[in-house]
Amino acid sequence: GQQLNQSPQSMFIQEGEDVSMNCTSSSIFNTWLWYKQDPGEGPVLLIALYKAGELTSNGRLTAQFGITRKDSFLNISASIPSDVGIYFCAGRSGNTGKLIFGQGTTLQVKP
Amino acid sequence: GAGVSQSPSNKVTEKGKDVELRCDPISGHTALYWYRQSLGQGLEFLIYFQGNSAPDKSGLPSDRFSAERTGGSVSTLTIQRTQQEDSAVYLCASSLSLAGGPVYNEQFFGPGTRLTVL
Repeated sequence: GQQLNQSPQSMFIQEGEDVSMNCTSSSIFNTWLWYKQDPGEGPVLLIALYKAGELTSNGRLTAQFGITRKDSFLNISASIPSDVGIYFCAGRSGNTGKLIFGQGTTLQVKP
Repeated sequence: GAGVSQSPSNKVTEKGKDVELRCDPISGHTALYWYRQSLGQGLEFLIYFQGNSAPDKSGLPSDRFSAERTGGSVSTLTIQRTQQEDSAVYLCASSLSLAGGPVYNEQFFGPGTRLTVL
């Protein structure tokens, strides 16, 4: 079945630093999504990407849909303490509602 | 309500018992999804409903798991004869539609039900 490999598994950074995480897939997706999950809550959508090569920003967040349609990255610039949480990539193929999720990247920010 | 709601927020049960988890989607959303999240893991797709179409049950791990959606709104996920490996957070999500194109089918998640099987 389809699998997503997300890296790194965890990051511990200083406030103000930039962060980068990525996902790779064994198969092609037509949509890539990035979610953030805080403890005790469901994931919240950060950025959605619909076209290969697409580069999209949302404030300090920037994400790209890889040209091969098998990968995506998320960058966070000038991190702040509230960026702490678990970040998940997710992909969708075809016209299905089913999302395939990565294993998550746990981000900790030191003030 | 403004968002997806789920109940109960926590459920502790004994091995072998049946449990029912409830999801109230965002009003007007025609698609509803169930996922399972084990400790420290990503989300695992279980099942989704789209309007009156037959549900996609391809993610259900065994025949002990079933789900229904009554009246196109509220959904119940039932786990029969629970096992310890069923312990996880069960998340529900809803979206406007699949037919409306990608922008319309982004999923909004509820807070989840944490299930613990002793």
